[in-house]
Amino acid sequence: AQKITQTQPGMFVQEKEAVTLDCTYDTSDQSYGLFWYKQPSSGEMIFLIYQGSYDEQNATEGRYSLNFQKARKSANLVISASQLGDSAMYFCAMSLIQGAQKLVFGQGTRLTINP
Amino acid sequence: DTGVSQNPRHKITKRGQNVTFRCDPISEHNRLYWYRQTLGQGPEFLTYFQNEAQLEKSRLLSDRFSAERPKGSFSTLEIQRTEQGDSAMYLCASSPGQGGWETQYFGPGTRLLVL
Repeated sequence: AQKITQTQPGMFVQEKEAVTLDCTYDTSDQSYGLFWYKQPSSGEMIFLIYQGSYDEQNATEGRYSLNFQKARKSANLVISASQLGDSAMYFCAMSLIQGAQKLVFGQGTRLTINP
Repeated sequence: DTGVSQNPRHKITKRGQNVTFRCDPISEHNRLYWYRQTLGQGPEFLTYFQNEAQLEKSRLLSDRFSAERPKGSFSTLEIQRTEQGDSAMYLCASSPGQGGWETQYFGPGTRLLVL
């Protein structure tokens, strides 16, 4: 079974600073994908970034980058130059390539950006 | 290209009543997922459709829950004899179903409150 652990219930960051949200995962499978989603107070889950287990380079999408350390089973999200609109819940998730590719989520981290 | 839509956005019902939610996936997306999210938790997988076939169901999906996707387009999730423990956000997601790694795109969710 897959498991995602997010150990930071809440993070507070000053606007324009960079922030790292932690995520560790556990699986015995070799082929898996790691995802980060943002959930504002409106409730919709917004896809941010994806990393495959065989990708050698860390994924980047605009201000988002994924710090993938396979040996440590970690997939931390880095947000550069934080903005007030980044305040939201952030969820790390993983799936296996076979079958349904259903997502297994962590408990989330609430990020608050202070002006 | 419109995103995933869900109706209703909010539902308040009395214990013991039946409720039905609808999800319209992104056009031409073959895969459709239902998740449930309780307060303070990450979403949990409920069930998965590939076209009209329901291929996987979670143990969370008790016999009071039924999901359909009759023509491989929209899907409905029905809860019979609702209980207070069914109060949650019900999220629908879709992905292309073309093979390989796929990102799931979520709808805005339906918030259910059972009194």
